[in-house]
Amino acid sequence: DTGVSQDPRHKITKRGQNVTFRCDPISEHNRLYWYRQTLGQGPEFLTYFQNEAQLEKSRLLSDRFSAERPKGSFSTLEIQRTEQGDSAMYLCASSLELPNYGYTFGSGTRLTVV
Amino acid sequence: GDSVTQMEGPVTLSEEAFLTINCTYTATGYPSLFWYVQYPGEGLQLLLKATKADDKGSNKGFEATYRKETTSFHLEKGSVQVSDSAVYFCASYSGAGSYQLTFGKGTKLSVIP
Repeated sequence: DTGVSQDPRHKITKRGQNVTFRCDPISEHNRLYWYRQTLGQGPEFLTYFQNEAQLEKSRLLSDRFSAERPKGSFSTLEIQRTEQGDSAMYLCASSLELPNYGYTFGSGTRLTVV
Repeated sequence: GDSVTQMEGPVTLSEEAFLTINCTYTATGYPSLFWYVQYPGEGLQLLLKATKADDKGSNKGFEATYRKETTSFHLEKGSVQVSDSAVYFCASYSGAGSYQLTFGKGTKLSVIP
């Protein structure tokens, strides 16, 4: 069990550029979640996958954001036309059971938009 | 929707002091409750959880009891160590068709020798 892996750990991009982050969940976990965490705040839910199906999306996930999990294993989160307000830590988590047992989080990708 | 309110930090304690971090929630029905810990530069780690009223979650000397009557889940530790310095997040999960955890804003704890 290597835990939840996220890549890259840090990303600096210019405003208007597109960025893509990757998440590799724990191998036997079929549930995968993306969260966003800004400085001094708790994580905020973005989206949830069960296997390859995206079953829940937050209103925070604007049209510029898209997430995929094509084969029910790794997932990608893309942000198009980045804005300074997108600067945050993007956290991925996975679980085997329903969320009432908790998730396992990755270390996150810190995005800075300049 | 759910909401979680934690005491604001930062909290600074001397080593071996008693720790309490308050957490209250509002939720539909009876949610599951969690405490997560985040060390600098790392993701969140599940510290403990409780899934029903009067349950006590415990781990690494930390404890929290699910109090339905006061809608609270306060985190306690009898004797903190420098290595406990981190940010602590309280969270809830109600289900009801959603899969998201709702987090509080976090409480930063610094323990000084």
